[in-house]
Amino acid sequence: GAVVSQHPSRVICKSGTSVKIECRSLDFQATTMFWYRQFPKQSLMLMATSNEGSKATYEQGVEKDKFLINHASLTLSTLTVTSAHPEDSSFYICSFRTSGIPYEQYFGPGTRLTVT
Amino acid sequence: AQSVAQPEDQVNVAEGNPLTVKCTYSVSGNPYLFWYVQYPNRGLQFLLKYITGDNLVKGSYGFEAEFNKSQTSFHLKKPSALVSDSALYFCAVRDRGSQGNLIFGKGTKLSVKP
Repeated sequence: GAVVSQHPSRVICKSGTSVKIECRSLDFQATTMFWYRQFPKQSLMLMATSNEGSKATYEQGVEKDKFLINHASLTLSTLTVTSAHPEDSSFYICSFRTSGIPYEQYFGPGTRLTVT
Repeated sequence: AQSVAQPEDQVNVAEGNPLTVKCTYSVSGNPYLFWYVQYPNRGLQFLLKYITGDNLVKGSYGFEAEFNKSQTSFHLKKPSALVSDSALYFCAVRDRGSQGNLIFGKGTKLSVKP
């Protein structure tokens, strides 16, 4: 299956700093990608959807100025958590979606963010 | 609105016994259905999908799932569980007419004991 990489896999940062998470599709190109957040023992919560070259569409309750998404190319997207706070500590997962039916999604391995 | 229900938070099975992880869905129209598995601190791995055709879908690692339109279910099954199958399993759905993201169930933790 398709491969999606995510970097870093773990990051610890101090409150008030910014963290960038990078997501790459290694063997396919995708116009649409998703960023999810997952709390312990819970399902994935969609944060935003982005199309290459366009601004991301954020889900209700997700602050777009705090979670900056840049979908720079068909194989690269970044999520920057700005001015991080301890409540931003979570597991962040990216996902690329193929074009064409049935629009399969491939997921990155996730990034564990801990804000101290 | 689309939704997915996984009624069991946890399923416990002895190694070698068959396992079933339940999933029901609510979608207007005919859905695409998916199962994913997540190991600790890892992203989601695709197991199998139902698009059309045979209601019994075979996937990775010996898993299979049966699409039942009348019961709007897509239960995940495996004839003989392995300890290594212990993980978190997510059912997901997308309406055929939608280009949106997948709708996930809350997940079911599968625990297989030796």
